[in-house]
Amino acid sequence: LAKTTQPISMDSYEGQEVNITCSHNNIATNDYITWYQQFPSQGPRFIIQGYKTKVTNEVASLFIPADRKSSTLSLPRVSLSDTAVYYCLVGTSGSARQLTFGSGTQLTVLP
Amino acid sequence: GAVVSQHPSWVICKSGTSVKIECRSLDFQATTMFWYRQFPKQSLMLMATSNEGSKATYEQGVEKDKFLINHASLTLSTLTVTSAHPEDSSFYICSARPGQSLGYTFGSGTRLTVV
Repeated sequence: LAKTTQPISMDSYEGQEVNITCSHNNIATNDYITWYQQFPSQGPRFIIQGYKTKVTNEVASLFIPADRKSSTLSLPRVSLSDTAVYYCLVGTSGSARQLTFGSGTQLTVLP
Repeated sequence: GAVVSQHPSWVICKSGTSVKIECRSLDFQATTMFWYRQFPKQSLMLMATSNEGSKATYEQGVEKDKFLINHASLTLSTLTVTSAHPEDSSFYICSARPGQSLGYTFGSGTRLTVV
């Protein structure tokens, strides 16, 4: 299975931009990169998905370099409510890899 | 957006009893649903893939006779933890992918405590 590596934790302050990078050296040609957010005692929530270059939606941006061996989730102007665990997953739709969660990154936003 | 409803949100049961957890797709049909388990401070671990009208597929190391999965309709999958023991205490989460949605929709999870 494709393995993803993320920092275990990150701290930030309110109003700052936060970038969380995920390494996925074994990404396959057909794999997509998907990020989820999880609050304590809740199920994960889909944030964004991309294949290459840059994807932006109303809550985040996803930057993927040409070699696709890593990706960066960018959260603009974070607030206290963005404190959560962020997971990146890689895989094709319905594949086991797309369903395999790594250790995730605990983001703590400080006042 | 698409919603996956999970019930109950929490349950406490005595050791040796069985507990059933329901997972429903409210506004879409799901031929496939997925069940995860998450221990405190750990990541989600995929337990099994629930297939409508057929047997579930279990991940390596997951006891199929202990974690019974039934997917009798296109909107409902159930996970029954049989003869529960304290070590089965965990957070159980289901998910499904609505149609051509980019990602998966997860239920809110069920906190199981076995005493």
